[in-house]
Amino acid sequence: DADVTQTPRNRITKTGKRIMLECSQTKGHDRMYWYRQDPGLGLRLIYYSFDVKDINKGEISDGYSVSRQAQAKFSLSLESAIPNQTALYFCATSDTHTSQPQHFGDGTRLSIL
Amino acid sequence: GQNIDQPTEMTATEGAIVQINCTYQTSGFNGLFWYQQHAGEAPTFLSYNVLDGLEEKGRFSSFLSRSKGYSYLLLKELQMKDSASYLCAPRSSNTGKLIFGQGTTLQVKP
Repeated sequence: DADVTQTPRNRITKTGKRIMLECSQTKGHDRMYWYRQDPGLGLRLIYYSFDVKDINKGEISDGYSVSRQAQAKFSLSLESAIPNQTALYFCATSDTHTSQPQHFGDGTRLSIL
Repeated sequence: GQNIDQPTEMTATEGAIVQINCTYQTSGFNGLFWYQQHAGEAPTFLSYNVLDGLEEKGRFSSFLSRSKGYSYLLLKELQMKDSASYLCAPRSSNTGKLIFGQGTTLQVKP
């Protein structure tokens, strides 16, 4: 079983719809992250959380919100989806020690028509 | 500001050696990670450098010069399965966050 699980893996939806992407982890890590990846732009940080009661904006948080329901769960919501939010979304986790890498889920491919 | 610079694409031959360079500017520095990402898949961790010098891990090595803001990933004995994107990601000591470059897409040819 994957240590970092994202659901759904693929989603096609329409402009204006509310969408939730879910991430759960069995690694016991405190830190969780949401990124989006677009061709030619690399990974960009949307939101991150260093603990259950900690939520921080990344570089591109507009149009997104998150919820850290438990140590193991971190969900990303698009309140009213728009076509330029079409992208590949990754959840990642890491331990608190700075030498430890981030571990990524398999990604959610989101298309907004 | 914060900036990462890597070549966009590289091509190499199976069995050869390739070096992927990365220059970076971050607000403070606290280590640099290299990741491999096959098309449509998750990035996977390759190596970590926090002190100057070379870290070797099998066919993969990574080098860091903090004073020059420079790192490289060296891949030896290239295999077809090494065709992927390679992401350079320094960590900002001010924010604790990784800054990802756009990645270098490596194509290995027979």
